[in-house]
Amino acid sequence: IAGITQAPTSQILAAGRRMTLRCTQDMRHNAMYWYRQDLGLGLRLIHYSNTAGTTGKGEVPDGYSVSRANTDDFPLTLASAVPSQTSVYFCASSDNPGQGQETQYFGPGTRLLVL
Amino acid sequence: GQNIDQPTEMTATEGAIVQINCTYQTSGFNGLFWYQQHAGEAPTFLSYNVLDGLEEKGRFSSFLSRSKGYSYLLLKELQMKDSASYLCAVTDSNYQLIWGAGTKLIIKP
Repeated sequence: IAGITQAPTSQILAAGRRMTLRCTQDMRHNAMYWYRQDLGLGLRLIHYSNTAGTTGKGEVPDGYSVSRANTDDFPLTLASAVPSQTSVYFCASSDNPGQGQETQYFGPGTRLLVL
Repeated sequence: GQNIDQPTEMTATEGAIVQINCTYQTSGFNGLFWYQQHAGEAPTFLSYNVLDGLEEKGRFSSFLSRSKGYSYLLLKELQMKDSASYLCAVTDSNYQLIWGAGTKLIIKP
């Protein structure tokens, strides 16, 4: 593994179903992030984690939950999917949150369609 | 509220120069990033500015004016592979990244 991996690459999901998007990084970065990207809108932060064991809410957290049991993994769970959660989901990581020049590195994304 | 504005789409010719503008209004400022995103792919880091002025990196340069809340990305000697979306993002006072919607750049031969 090099960088950030996400799984699945894409998924079609029935409304009401539970779904977990997986994210793993091998860079030993402290911080990890989940974004959604929708056409015409900028990347919107769902949840973040500045270090293992801690999480925080972003701009659009409703309907999503996360956990950070260790440094490498940051899964995103949709408890009961709704069509408005159709989007492309990107996981990202950075080394030292709380610093200005804190470049974020992105995974390849998961394309989710909720019907 | 926090806001970042970029043009939605721009078209330029291969070999030419293009300037993509970004204006921002955020609660605090701790730096401005430009990312490149090819269709169907993840954003990748291009540049970072925290002080006023021009930062040059090969064919790409990025400019910042903090007093005007303004930045631009300048792409020289355009190549077809530069066709992509360019995302402007600002780190606010809480060190959260606020993203613009991106500018889709179309390069024509």
